[in-house]
This record gives sequence, C-alpha cells and structure tokens, in this order.
Amino acid sequence: GAVVSQHPSWVICKSGTSVKIECRSLDFQATTMFWYRQFPKQSLMLMATSNEGSKATYEQGVEKDKFLINHASLTLSTLTVTSAHPEDSSFYICSARDTSGRAYNEQFFGPGTRLTVL
Amino acid sequence: QQQVKQSPQSLIVQKGGIPIINCAYENTAFDYFPWYQQFPGKGPALLIAIRPDVSEKKEGRFTISFNKSAKQFSLHIMDSQPGDSATYFCAALFGNEKLTFGTGTRLTIIP
Repeated sequence: GAVVSQHPSWVICKSGTSVKIECRSLDFQATTMFWYRQFPKQSLMLMATSNEGSKATYEQGVEKDKFLINHASLTLSTLTVTSAHPEDSSFYICSARDTSGRAYNEQFFGPGTRLTVL
Repeated sequence: QQQVKQSPQSLIVQKGGIPIINCAYENTAFDYFPWYQQFPGKGPALLIAIRPDVSEKKEGRFTISFNKSAKQFSLHIMDSQPGDSATYFCAALFGNEKLTFGTGTRLTIIP
C-alpha cells in the first residue's frame, strides 16, 4: 500500500518556540494532504486541507497564523506550529490522498508526531 | 448532517469472540465508508472499506455489513485475537470531500 512518513515522530520544545513537522508521501504523488490533531482518547480532528501549489484551507476555529501549512511539492507538506504553548501539545497526524486512480480518493495516514510543549 | 455516530465507545470481548462496532450516518451523499485501526501512539491504518452498492465485504477476519436504507454500517471481527486490541474508527467520504470520522471504539480482546 501507499506509504506516508512523518518527521519527527516526537518533539519536545520550550514555550514560545516554533516547531516544523514534515509529511511525505513516499511512493505516490499527493496533490492533497490533510493535517489532523488528536487528543488522548478522542477522534481525529481535521485542522486543514493542504493543496499543492495553493494556500491551505483551514477548518473553523483553527488559527492559520499559528499553524502554518506549506505544500510545496507533490510529495511534501509541512506544518509549522508557531510560538508554541503547552496547550498546543498534542498528537499531529497527516494524511495524503492518492489521486493516481488506483484507490478511490483513499487517504493514507502518517504515523503521527507527538508534540510536547514545556 | 455531516456526523457519523459510532457505538459502542468501548468494548471488551473474549478471545475468539466476534466484536461488532456500529456506525450510522445522515448524509446520503456519502459514497465511501472506510474503517481504520489505530494502535496507541500510531497513525490510523485503513482496515477495510465499502461502497454503498454492496451490502457486505470481507477481508480476512474483518467484515463490513452495510445497510443503505437504514444508513448504517458495522464492522465484525471474526475469531478475535488479543492483537486486535486497538481503537477502531469508522468514517464516511463523499467524492473529494474530507473524511468524516466516528468517535472511535476502544476494543480490548482478553485471552
């Protein structure tokens, strides 16, 4: 199946610093990638939809200036958490949509990034 | 109308039993219904998916039953094993829209 990687898998940072998380589709091209946030024992909450070469679409209530998303190529999207605070601590998961036609708009998920802000 | 309701929230089943997780949706435009399995600290992984033109799909020990008129679908796990202990999410999709997830079911298979 299609493989999506995330880097780093976990990160600890100080309050006020910025953290960048990378999401890569390894064996397929993804014109659309998605960023989710997941709190313990809860479902995935979509933060934004990232389209290659255009601005991301953010879900209601998600601060676009705090969560910067860049989708510069067909295999890479990045999420930057700017001026991170302890309440930003969470599990961040990306997914990539396979538009090759081999899977019906299937989304393949990355392994997640655990962010802890001290 | 975009909600997908999932039940139960948690489920404990003896090894070899058949856990059943149920989901219901409102939006009749949904045309793809995947199930995801998530282990602690990992991203969700696609388990099995169904389109509304079939009533049942089997892949190994996993079966989806789909009832279009009732707008319900369920996941059955045959001969469940302790390694199946995970959180399961149903979801629904329409075209190129975003996935709508259920709230998740934490499944525990006891030996």
